[in-house]
Amino acid sequence: DAKTTQPPSMDCAEGRAANLPCNHSTISGNEYVYWYRQIHSQGPQYIIHGLKNNETNEMASLIITEDRKSSTLILPHATLRDTAVYYCIVRVVRTTFTGTASKLTFGTGTRLQVTL
Amino acid sequence: DAGVTQSPTHLIKTRGQHVTLRCSPISGHKSVSWYQQVLGQGPQFIFQYYEKEERGRGNFPDRFSARQFPNYSSELNVNALLLGDSALYLCASSLDGQGVSYNSPLHFGNGTRLTVT
Repeated sequence: DAKTTQPPSMDCAEGRAANLPCNHSTISGNEYVYWYRQIHSQGPQYIIHGLKNNETNEMASLIITEDRKSSTLILPHATLRDTAVYYCIVRVVRTTFTGTASKLTFGTGTRLQVTL
Repeated sequence: DAGVTQSPTHLIKTRGQHVTLRCSPISGHKSVSWYQQVLGQGPQFIFQYYEKEERGRGNFPDRFSARQFPNYSSELNVNALLLGDSALYLCASSLDGQGVSYNSPLHFGNGTRLTVT
């Protein structure tokens, strides 16, 4: 499975953009990059995903480099409620005799602390 | 619409006992996955079910089993509990397999916190 590398922790001032990097140098051509976050004691929350084009939704923007070996999640105006662990994941899809299955392989993520 | 719901939210069991955890997916989702999250680590994949059939299994012992019902809800069973099974058990549902190219986001519930003493 493609492995991702993220910094263990980052700080961001409230109101500023938070830029969270991720390296995934072994990603395959048809594997998507997903971002989730997990606030303490809750389940992971889906943020955004992409294949090779930049993506934007109401929560964040995802910038994927042209060679797809790295990406950056951008929270444009971080708030205290964005304090969480952010996971960058390469989603793996496998087809076997039992059918097609897909799983998310989580690493340890980046702990983002948003401060006043 | 309701998200993924899991029950119970917390559970305390003794070593050697068995446990059943339950999950109701988002309405319209037919794929359900289970993950285990040990304190301080990211979630680890246990099972994926689609249309009541197991489609994927992670690196967990046979003490772990699951099933999916006709209404797409699911149960995770763990037998002969060990102290190391203490964790947050997460269920996720998605539109995987429903005419989409396995590019449908997984949506997680808030999990069941299992403590084994």
